[in-house]
Amino acid sequence: GAGVSQSPSNKVTEKGKDVELRCDPISGHTALYWYRQSLGQGLEFLIYFQGNSAPDKSGLPSDRFSAERTGGSVSTLTIQRTQQEDSAVYLCASSLDVGTQYFGPGTRLLVL
Amino acid sequence: DAKTTQPNSMESNEEEPVHLPCNHSTISGTDYIHWYRQLPSQGPEYVIHGLTSNVNNRMASLAIAEDRKSSTLILHRATLRDAAVYYCILIGRGGSNYKLTFGKGTLLTVNP
Repeated sequence: GAGVSQSPSNKVTEKGKDVELRCDPISGHTALYWYRQSLGQGLEFLIYFQGNSAPDKSGLPSDRFSAERTGGSVSTLTIQRTQQEDSAVYLCASSLDVGTQYFGPGTRLLVL
Repeated sequence: DAKTTQPNSMESNEEEPVHLPCNHSTISGTDYIHWYRQLPSQGPEYVIHGLTSNVNNRMASLAIAEDRKSSTLILHRATLRDAAVYYCILIGRGGSNYKLTFGKGTLLTVNP
């Protein structure tokens, strides 16, 4: 079956603009995660959705970041008033319940 | 949180076996040992995981020390496509530490 997909694959935006990043998890996976990875750095956890439970937002770096998961499937990560330090690869992963995480290819965000 | 220690880099020749070590001396009895890898410009990819016994799958083998304080990821015949950063992480049995935290991992270079 299809893996995790993300769109867009690349996004260039100007400082101060809002951006939306989309993630389509593997069908049937109840858990969905957002991470970001800056150049040459490790993985930074952002937010976690599990079924209908309240999401774990503890990794969101500021209130400019928010995420939704509609219908237990597709998720959107929104960054408002983007800053240059937001430039990174944003990775989405999904898992069956809480288990092995399968990652998408990522969205490369560049804020000019 | 239980932590892992890996060499920064390793080098191998094509079609030779590669043994990637990981130390996790503070592992708890309920922690699974997971390995992920990240190819250049791609999202992380699950490789293998185990608890106590050695494990084999189509990608690799995982050898776990009797005291579980270390493990070794074995690629039986390295190919150029195996060049990646390999991450060893611990995930609790209940999945409580689902926030994957990748450190710097081991950068594997495969020479033709």
